[in-house]
Amino acid sequence: GAVVSQHPSWVICKSGTSVKIECRSLDFQATTMFWYRQFPKQSLMLMATSNEGSKATYEQGVEKDKFLINHASLTLSTLTVTSAHPEDSSFYICSAPGTNYGYTFGSGTRLTVV
Amino acid sequence: EDKVVQSPLSLVVHEGDTVTLNCSYEVTNFRSLLWYKQEKKAPTFLFMLTSSGIEKKSGRLSSILDKKELFSILNITATQTGDSAVYLCAPYLGSNYKLTFGKGTLLTVNP
Repeated sequence: GAVVSQHPSWVICKSGTSVKIECRSLDFQATTMFWYRQFPKQSLMLMATSNEGSKATYEQGVEKDKFLINHASLTLSTLTVTSAHPEDSSFYICSAPGTNYGYTFGSGTRLTVV
Repeated sequence: EDKVVQSPLSLVVHEGDTVTLNCSYEVTNFRSLLWYKQEKKAPTFLFMLTSSGIEKKSGRLSSILDKKELFSILNITATQTGDSAVYLCAPYLGSNYKLTFGKGTLLTVNP
């Protein structure tokens, strides 16, 4: 079935540095990738939608200059958290429209900014 | 604006109990209702409900959709500690539409 590989699964970085998270669709082409953020004990909140070959669409309140999204090819979408701060510590997860069951999720990235 | 409301937000039960989780929605272009289970990492798919009144079952889990009243329920019978998780619902509007999740129900099953 459709698989989305997300890396890294966890990362610790220093405040002020940037972190890149990758999501690859392994056996299908993902023209669209949804990026979610989840804080502890909260639900998944959509941050942005990336589309191959065009600019990402950001949800209200999400800073596009801070969360850079690139959809370089039909199998790769990346999220870069720039100048990360402790409040950016969260669980980030990508999701692509799949086949039979609506959506395929990556395994998530737990980001801790110290 | 799309709206998804889940209740209860949290629930603590003992092994063997039966639980009912609720999901109501108000969206345009509704096609189906998705249920997911989330433990430590990514949500895992449980059910996709498209037709009203037809129960879907998977082991001890079952779910049904009411498209007239705009809600769905997820039942878990004979709960086990492994059922402890956050259960999420989201309306499915089509393959390239975003999923808007409810806040989820945190289920804790104690031995």
